[in-house]
Amino acid sequence: KAGVTQTPRYLIKTRGQQVTLSCSPISGHRSVSWYQQTPGQGLQFLFEYFSETQRNKGNFPGRFSGRQFSNSRSEMNVSTLELGDSALYLCASSLQENYGYTFGSGTRLTVV
Amino acid sequence: AQSVTQLGSHVSVSEGALVLLRCNYSSSVPPYLFWYVQYPNQGLQLLLKYTSAATLVKGINGFEAEFKKSETSFHLTKPSAHMSDAAEYFCAVIVTGGGNKLTFGTGTQLKVEL
Repeated sequence: KAGVTQTPRYLIKTRGQQVTLSCSPISGHRSVSWYQQTPGQGLQFLFEYFSETQRNKGNFPGRFSGRQFSNSRSEMNVSTLELGDSALYLCASSLQENYGYTFGSGTRLTVV
Repeated sequence: AQSVTQLGSHVSVSEGALVLLRCNYSSSVPPYLFWYVQYPNQGLQLLLKYTSAATLVKGINGFEAEFKKSETSFHLTKPSAHMSDAAEYFCAVIVTGGGNKLTFGTGTQLKVEL
């Protein structure tokens, strides 16, 4: 059974650019969430999608956005990149609420 | 706000010794609690979860945790540490009725020495 797949694994972008990260959840999982991990702030919740609808949103600026497609695949977009956006971005999928998440290996974004 | 607190950002044990990683939660409603492990340059792997079925929860790799409501704790233990257990461990909570959002503790880095 395939796990959660995130692409790309590594990314280097320049300040001011935008970036799109992709996540394919485990087959049958309809809940997809995104987290940002940094040494200073730890693991922070970005947003959660269920059946193409954003169900929860964390405390991040509007430059961070996401969407979910009908096949449950999800993308997150960060516009006007800042140096502080450098982080490991983790996607996770879940079969149902309160069930716990399965995480992907993450996308390491470096903004220079 | 509901949260979890992990006591000790770094814990060091000898191989074969007991592992005890501490986690306390704050929640006004019954929470769902999780322990995750993260190896370098990897995502998070679920070790175990408490969903109110049983207070003593057994997980993978010999880990277990006990939910103690009176102490608002969910400490992670393993009787005998192995070198391969060296990693960062995160306690996390989902609050009932709060959607499917995980709130993580700050993590505990476990070092296992020979």
